[in-house]
Amino acid sequence: DTEVTQTPKHLVMGMTNKKSLKCEQHMGHRAMYWYKQKAKKPPELMFVYSYEKLSINESVPSRFSPECPNSSLLNLHLHALQPEDSALYLCASGRGGVTDTQYFGPGTRLTVL
Amino acid sequence: AQSVAQPEDQVNVAEGNPLTVKCTYSVSGNPYLFWYVQYPNRGLQFLLKYITGDNLVKGSYGFEAEFNKSQTSFHLKKPSALVSDSALYFCAVRHFLGYGGATNKLIFGTGTLLAVQP
Repeated sequence: DTEVTQTPKHLVMGMTNKKSLKCEQHMGHRAMYWYKQKAKKPPELMFVYSYEKLSINESVPSRFSPECPNSSLLNLHLHALQPEDSALYLCASGRGGVTDTQYFGPGTRLTVL
Repeated sequence: AQSVAQPEDQVNVAEGNPLTVKCTYSVSGNPYLFWYVQYPNRGLQFLLKYITGDNLVKGSYGFEAEFNKSQTSFHLKKPSALVSDSALYFCAVRHFLGYGGATNKLIFGTGTLLAVQP
C-alpha cells in the first residue's frame, strides 16, 4: 500500500483567513514533504520533514507554517495568504535514504480570494 | 547542479502505436532518475525509477524506460499506447540532501503532455 491521503480536496479562503491542510500516511515512512504546483508546471519543494523534524525549508514565506505532530501526520498551516498562493498543494512521503521513492497524495486545490 | 530536461511540451500518438517521452539529465555523481505521471486534477503517481543495474527499467501500467549513460538520457517508452495513457509526464532526478536528514529532493523536468488519439 502506497497511499498518502490529503484533506481537504478543495479549499477556498480569503486573505485574512487561517486554514490548515492535512496529510496522512501509514506506511511507516520517515520522510514527508510539501510541494506547491502551479497549473501545468512541475511541483516545487517547500518543506521536508525527517523523523518528525524540519530538515529543509526552501525559503518559503512565513505565511506557510508546517507542522509534523507525529510520524504519520503532516500539516500545513496557512495565514494571510495572497492570491498568487493559489495552487495545488501536494504532500509526499518516503522511506528516506539514498534510493528513496516519494509517493504523492492527491493534493489540495487551494484558491485564495 | 542536478537537472533534467524534457524537450517536448507535448507528444501526440495514435492508440496502439508505440510512444516515447524524452528526458535528458545533467548530474554530478550517479544519477537516480524517476518518472511520474499526473492525471488532470490529481497528484503524481510513481511509474518507475533507475538506481543502478539493468539499463532497461520496467514500471507500472506497461511503461518502461531506457537509461543511456553515453547520451545522458532516460526516455520513457510503451510498446502500445492507450487513450487512458493521456496525461502529464514528469521526469525527475534525485538530489540527496545528506545523511543527517536522510531525505531527498526531487528536481523535476518541465513536464510533457501525452495525448493519445483513438
